Amino acid sequence: AQSVTQLDSQVPVFEEAPVELRCNYSSSVSVYLFWYVQYPNQGLQLLLKYLSGSTLVKGINGFEAEFNKSQTSFHLRKPSVHISDTAEYFCAVSLNTGGFKTIFGAGTRLFVKA
Amino acid sequence: EAGVAQSPRYKIIEKRQSVAFWCNPISGHATLYWYQQILGQGPKLLIQFQNNGVVDDSQLPKDRFSAERLKGVDSTLKIQPAKLEDSAVYLCASSLPGTGFREQYFGPGTRLTVT
Repeated sequence: AQSVTQLDSQVPVFEEAPVELRCNYSSSVSVYLFWYVQYPNQGLQLLLKYLSGSTLVKGINGFEAEFNKSQTSFHLRKPSVHISDTAEYFCAVSLNTGGFKTIFGAGTRLFVKA
Repeated sequence: EAGVAQSPRYKIIEKRQSVAFWCNPISGHATLYWYQQILGQGPKLLIQFQNNGVVDDSQLPKDRFSAERLKGVDSTLKIQPAKLEDSAVYLCASSLPGTGFREQYFGPGTRLTVT
């Protein structure tokens, strides 16, 4: 069975500091990998995705993530965070079969402090 | 381009009552998804439609939940009767048709509280 584990439920960080949100997955079939952001009372917005090719992917708002197949990880990073980055971040995998069913992690709450 | 629309945004009901949620996807998006997001958890897929056909409903509690997409456009998710554990945000998403990966676009969700 496929699963996604986000290793930190909450990450507090000061403004302009770097941040890394960790994500590990398990799957018996090939997957696509994603990070979504959810601001309060809003739906999910796609930050970035890995489908194939370069293992370092860049997304919106200055975020990037690196796919590590041997460690089955897809950690999200940003070199300098802003107050406006405070939100819930979800790592997700989409099975490369049929309807591309998406499985989400439990989320990491990023809290940026002034 | 208008996004995915959902209504109502909030709903409070008592247990054993019934409730319905509505979703209108982005124009031209043939695939529609309903997710349940319980507080502190990630979204869980309940049902996926391709036009008006069901692609995956393996995690839909069919004894109390039902969903339809009769004309292949908007969709309704119903719960009857509701239980306390159904308290959650119900998210609707849609994507373009075609083979291969297609990005999902999410609506703002309906927050359901069952008392």
